[in-house]
Amino acid sequence: DAKTTQPNSMESNEEEPVHLPCNHSTISGTDYIHWYRQLPSQGPEYVIHGLTSNVNNRMASLAIAEDRKSSTLILHRATLRDAAVYYCILIARGATNKLIFGTGTLLAVQP
Amino acid sequence: KAGVTQTPRYLIKTRGQQVTLSCSPISGHRSVSWYQQTPGQGLQFLFEYFSETQRNKGNFPGRFSGRQFSNSRSEMNVSTLELGDSALYLCASSPRTSGANNEQFFGPGTRLTVL
Repeated sequence: DAKTTQPNSMESNEEEPVHLPCNHSTISGTDYIHWYRQLPSQGPEYVIHGLTSNVNNRMASLAIAEDRKSSTLILHRATLRDAAVYYCILIARGATNKLIFGTGTLLAVQP
Repeated sequence: KAGVTQTPRYLIKTRGQQVTLSCSPISGHRSVSWYQQTPGQGLQFLFEYFSETQRNKGNFPGRFSGRQFSNSRSEMNVSTLELGDSALYLCASSPRTSGANNEQFFGPGTRLTVL
């Protein structure tokens, strides 16, 4: 399984944009990039996923580098509720639902 | 739609006992996966079931087992409990078993404490 690297922690101010980076230099052409987050005392929550093109949904945007060796999760206006651990996970096409979680990025949001 | 439900939410057992945890997936979801979360090891995959068949298994001893019923509800069992089995056990459901272009929905977890 291809490996991802994320910063251990990041800090943001409320109502400002947040860019959470993820490096995946050994990604293969058929690996999808998924983001999940885990709020305190809750189970993980799906955020967004993509393959090659940038993706937007109601929660966030996913910007994927042209060479696909890195990606960035963008929260457009951070709220206190966005304080969580964010996980970047690669899943190969044809794989099962097994998610391999790394240590993720702990995002702190200051009021 | 109701979310993924897990019962019980909290459980205290003693070493050597066995425990059964239950997961009810979102209606219509046929894939159920189980994860263990501990402060030391983080989130680790236990196993996945789809249509009553185990599709994938993580690197856990045989004391950890699971099953899925025809209504997609799933149970996991841990026998001969050890102190190190104290963890948050999470269940996730999904409508499909193909993980790549798919999202999974997690339940709130069962907090197991082994004394």
